[in-house]
Amino acid sequence: AQSVSQHNHHVILSEAASLELGCNYSYGGTVNLFWYVQYPGQHLQLLLKYFSGDPLVKGIKGFEAEFIKSKFSFNLRKPSVQWSDTAEYFCAVKGNTGKLIFGQGTTLQVKP
Amino acid sequence: DAGVIQSPRHEVTEMGQEVTLRCKPISGHNSLFWYRQTMMRGLELLIYFNNNVPIDDSGMPEDRFSAKMPNASFSTLKIQPSEPRDSAVYFCASSLVQGGDTQYFGPGTRLTVL
Repeated sequence: AQSVSQHNHHVILSEAASLELGCNYSYGGTVNLFWYVQYPGQHLQLLLKYFSGDPLVKGIKGFEAEFIKSKFSFNLRKPSVQWSDTAEYFCAVKGNTGKLIFGQGTTLQVKP
Repeated sequence: DAGVIQSPRHEVTEMGQEVTLRCKPISGHNSLFWYRQTMMRGLELLIYFNNNVPIDDSGMPEDRFSAKMPNASFSTLKIQPSEPRDSAVYFCASSLVQGGDTQYFGPGTRLTVL
């Protein structure tokens, strides 16, 4: 069965610090990978996605993620976080079932 | 486009009552998904539809839950009878491509069952 694991449940950073959130998935076939963000009190929004091609994907608000097939990973990065990045971040994978499987989420708190 | 629309945004009800959540997907989208979000279990897919037909309802917790999509622009998720453990945020999402390309989420319905 497909599954997604996010290593960090709660991350606290100061503004301007660099961010990396880990995401690993278990599925041996072709996958589509996503990162969604949920700002406080709001619904999930797509940050970025990978379907094929360049494994380094750039998304909105300066976020990027790198797909490393050999490691089954799709880690999210941002060089310099802002207070407004405080939110919950979800990694998701879609395999041959057509369903999105979400990780448990990582809460990011950025201190001003 | 207004995006995915859900109603109500908040629902407080008593145990045993019937609850109906509503969703209007983005116009032209073929797939619709219902999710439940809780602190304990995170974001879980309950059911999804393609072209108004239920494709996978394996995530529906039990018979108390049912979902319908009578047409391309409307879906309901019903809980009857409701229980306190059903308290959660229920999200509806839609996507353009069959099988779920990028999904666009609604604002959610926060359900509290007392």
